[in-house]
Order: sequence, then structure tokens, then C-alpha cells
Amino acid sequence: QSALTQPASVSGSPGQSITISCTGTSSDVGGYNYVSWYQQHPGKAPKVIIYEITHRPSGVSNRFSASKSGNTASLTISGLQAEDEADYYCTSYTTSSTVVFGGGTKLTVL
Amino acid sequence: QVQLQESGPGLVTPSETLSLTCTVSGGSISSYHWSWIRQPPGKGLEWIGYIYNSENTGYNPSLRSRVTISADTSKNQFSLKLSSVTAADTAVYFCARAPVGASNVRYWYFDVWGRGTLVTVSS
Repeated sequence: QSALTQPASVSGSPGQSITISCTGTSSDVGGYNYVSWYQQHPGKAPKVIIYEITHRPSGVSNRFSASKSGNTASLTISGLQAEDEADYYCTSYTTSSTVVFGGGTKLTVL
Repeated sequence: QVQLQESGPGLVTPSETLSLTCTVSGGSISSYHWSWIRQPPGKGLEWIGYIYNSENTGYNPSLRSRVTISADTSKNQFSLKLSSVTAADTAVYFCARAPVGASNVRYWYFDVWGRGTLVTVSS
């Protein structure tokens, strides 16, 4: 299975909004609602920030939102803060009953 | 709250078998499914496989021939074995939990993670 495609890096200034894309195929992203997003700070375990395309776990800021259109999912972070600087990964369930990750996106807050 | 702790050798010899255990505390290993995920130094995350109900398993096709995941409900643990390791298997290995809903519907996101353990493959 091929990794989902994410931009290697994105950047934004505090207060701005950024969007990270996650492109797969009809066999993964496009075929299921099981798309999730994770935030990972250096040296830490990933933390789920979005599950089932649009749902935020309790305690996750409402500055994080997400959507899906066709084979592409997107994560938007609004009102960027310094603490948002981290790596972000998307995942999807697949037709092979497996899970595939995106390659990851490094977010830099300028 | 539920906590996961990975344990096992930090150094494995090439061609040998990597063995790790994830101990679940603060909750039962039942009613959830459990995955292993790894991250080579400086690289992205890779899903290795899962176990559910101690007998249902699924693996990443790229690793399937070398991977076995098992569970011991009496110890509230699940384990990973990866055979014939090479330097490319050097990574931080995470264990993670995914929810199971009504009618045993499995949800495919990871809501609880262990801290991870670095395994280096070297002679």
C-alpha cells in the first residue's frame, strides 16, 4: 500500500490559517469515513486531533477542523499559535482492512 | 486513565527477531483493538498491524511475511514479533489503542498511545 500524499512542509504566521492536504485513492481516503489526523511534537507520541473526517476529540481546540472531498482530506488550523508547530499526519482505513499513514507535514509557525 | 507501556530489547542483531510487549494499565485489553506503529529516526509513521479479540489480526502488506502480533489477556498485554530484521527496521515502536463500538464495530483511529521505545538493529 502506498502512503497517503501530504505536503512536506507548510508555514504560517501567528493568527493566520493554514490547510494541510492528504491525498489518497478510492481504496482508502475516498472510500471510507475513517480518516484521522495526528499532531506530533518532537520526541513525543502522536496525538489524535481529528477522527472520522471531521470529529474532534474532547479537549482538542476548535481551531482544528477538517473535511474531505473525493480522495483528498484536508486539515485546517485557524488562529495559528506557536504551540501548533509540530508534525501532522493523516491516516485512513483501506479496502485491504489495513491502515495507511500520510508521509507527514512539518508545520512551522513563523 | 488507560496507559500503554512498550517494553523489550533496545538493541537487536541483524537477521534476528525483534520482540516487544505493550502492557495496558488502567483498563482492559478487551473491547478495543490494538496496533503497533513505528517511526524510523527522522521519518514518518508506519502502521505495522493490529490485533482484536486475541485472535483477529491484520498486517501491513509490506511487513506481513515477517510480522506476528499476539495477545495475552491474562496479563493485559499484546506483543509484536518482527523476524529477519535489518537496519531498516531501526525505529521508535509505538503501541496504540483503537475504539470498538456497538456490535463490535471497529473504529480506525488511535486514541491512546504508548510513549514509544527505540529499537536499534545493529551488530
